[in-house]
Amino acid sequence: DGGITQSPKYLFRKEGQNVTLSCEQNLNHDAMYWYRQDPGQGLRLIYYSQIVNDFQKGDIAEGYSVSREKKESFPLTVTSAQKNPTAFYLCASSRTASGRRQETQYFGPGTRLLVL
Amino acid sequence: GENVEQHPSTLSVQEGDSAVIKCTYSDSASNYFPWYKQELGKRPQLIIDIRSNVGEKKDQRIAVTLNKTAKHFSLHITETQPEDSAVYFCAALLGSQGNLIFGKGTKLSVKP
Repeated sequence: DGGITQSPKYLFRKEGQNVTLSCEQNLNHDAMYWYRQDPGQGLRLIYYSQIVNDFQKGDIAEGYSVSREKKESFPLTVTSAQKNPTAFYLCASSRTASGRRQETQYFGPGTRLLVL
Repeated sequence: GENVEQHPSTLSVQEGDSAVIKCTYSDSASNYFPWYKQELGKRPQLIIDIRSNVGEKKDQRIAVTLNKTAKHFSLHITETQPEDSAVYFCAALLGSQGNLIFGKGTKLSVKP
């Protein structure tokens, strides 16, 4: 999972500001995912993408947006509509996520988002 | 909706003892169950996974068992060491899109 990078490590957001979290992978994986982790909670799926130029909402997509213009990159934007954005954000990728055949997901190092 | 329940939320053992973490899932069609270990401030790391065509899988001190009838699976760590201290997450493949649903985690503390 060293082939997945996230930046920045820490990000501070002001009221009403949109911020973008970067996720890049050089594993040639088709599928990429964004999760949110709150203290004492598991990982909750925000968005996922199984192929370039396509993505789907996860369980908690409100207030977030994504794009998948390149296979290697899956940036996440936290918009001003997300009223409680403070959390640890994890990006993951897997070789494929076709139908119900699930390949192993590998995680990036995470970005911690804090609100000023 | 579909979910994964994980117990206990915290577990403290003495070094050398065994630790067992249990998870139950709701979707009887689930066929893939990974376990991740997350150290403080770090990324989750896959430690073992099991698919529904087997009942048990071992890797050195770690084993996972799966009971499809009861819809539960468990992580077993033997001869625990202080470096096993971390939060462990189970997950199951649920939902029509085939995404992973995670349990809320178990904080394992191994006391020397």
